[in-house]
Amino acid sequence: DTGVSQNPRHKITKRGQNVTFRCDPISEHNRLYWYRQTLGQGPEFLTYFQNEAQLEKSRLLSDRFSAERPKGSFSTLEIQRTEQGDSAMYLCASSSDRAPQHFGDGTRLSIL
Amino acid sequence: GESVGLHLPTLSVQEGDNSIINCAYSNSASDYFIWYKQESGKGPQFIIDIRSNMDKRQGQRVTVLLNKTVKHLSLQIAATQPGDSAVYFCAETGGGKLIFGQGTELSVKP
Repeated sequence: DTGVSQNPRHKITKRGQNVTFRCDPISEHNRLYWYRQTLGQGPEFLTYFQNEAQLEKSRLLSDRFSAERPKGSFSTLEIQRTEQGDSAMYLCASSSDRAPQHFGDGTRLSIL
Repeated sequence: GESVGLHLPTLSVQEGDNSIINCAYSNSASDYFIWYKQESGKGPQFIIDIRSNMDKRQGQRVTVLLNKTVKHLSLQIAATQPGDSAVYFCAETGGGKLIFGQGTELSVKP
């Protein structure tokens, strides 16, 4: 499978805990995006990378959120001190100059 | 502010009929538009895209129409099948991030 891969698919955690999600993009794509989606809504942009450089961050990305793409390949999204409002589907997408954004199947986060 | 919205939140069609899903966008500077299909528990799946220098683009059973004068986008699905049942989103971009609308749920009756 050469699509965007996200792990884990589901994460259940207690409020206040830290969580980390991983995204492996399509190998030839140099851009990687993180989005958040809540029930009944379209995905909302969080941040994006071109190679290893983080080029844009949304105001949705509070100080508790951090994303990295250290080698310009896979990316991680960490949420510290999780809150109830962080419950959502976290989606990753990748693209290149020749390819539009293709999405993974997301990580569903549930905060108890 | 910038927004992309859909006129109809739900659409129910008979199998074999054609479906039309509409979308309005507000940022006249957007130059690239994409339609995605999202099934339950999965990520958005790319269907078709169109650039602002085009009015129409056709794929397999799908056609996207772009009317820049009224900032309107539509997705036409020919001979709708049960497997087309999903939520459909339009998205716009002026570079980088995508801005999505709320989505239209398409239900296909056998």
